[in-house]
Amino acid sequence: KAGVTQTPRYLIKTRGQQVTLSCSPISGHRSVSWYQQTPGQGLQFLFEYFSETQRNKGNFPGRFSGRQFSNSRSEMNVSTLELGDSALYLCASSRGHPDQETQYFGPGTRLLVL
Amino acid sequence: QKEVEQNSGPLSVPEGAIASLNCTYSDRGSQSFFWYRQYSGKSPELIMFIYSNGDKEDGRFTAQLNKASQYVSLLIRDSQPSDSATYLCAVNNAGNMLTFGGGTRLMVKP
Repeated sequence: KAGVTQTPRYLIKTRGQQVTLSCSPISGHRSVSWYQQTPGQGLQFLFEYFSETQRNKGNFPGRFSGRQFSNSRSEMNVSTLELGDSALYLCASSRGHPDQETQYFGPGTRLLVL
Repeated sequence: QKEVEQNSGPLSVPEGAIASLNCTYSDRGSQSFFWYRQYSGKSPELIMFIYSNGDKEDGRFTAQLNKASQYVSLLIRDSQPSDSATYLCAVNNAGNMLTFGGGTRLMVKP
């Protein structure tokens, strides 16, 4: 069974630009969660989508948004990029049901904002 | 603020020894607990999950959960140099949101 895939793997942007990252979950998984990992803050939860609806949201500004499609693929968007947005963005998928919440991570997208 | 705490390390053990990694959490309502391994430059890889008090064994790995004391631990028996990585403890507080500790860097010396 194929794992979680993320595209692109690497991205360089400049301040003020926007970026869209994509995630395809494991087949059969309906929940997609997004995390940001930085050396200073560690791994932090951004948001979770289940059946095309945002079900949970972390403590990030509104510049961070996402969506999920009917095939469970998800995208996250960051607008008006700041230097501090440079990070590894990780997507994780799970079945999304109680007692089936184990999350499996994709390889991540490394974003550098200049 | 729901917190998960880990000693950042590095924890250095000789090859063949038992490595013991610990994690404490603040939310008493937490239901499920996970250990991930992360190699430098890579994404986290699931090692084990545990839901109930007690021990859970999988090969060389044993997860231990004590909800009364709010701690989770991971034991790695017969540690190998390939086990050298950062180990992340994660807690599912509510819904499908994982709160991660800062990770413990493990170094296994040949």
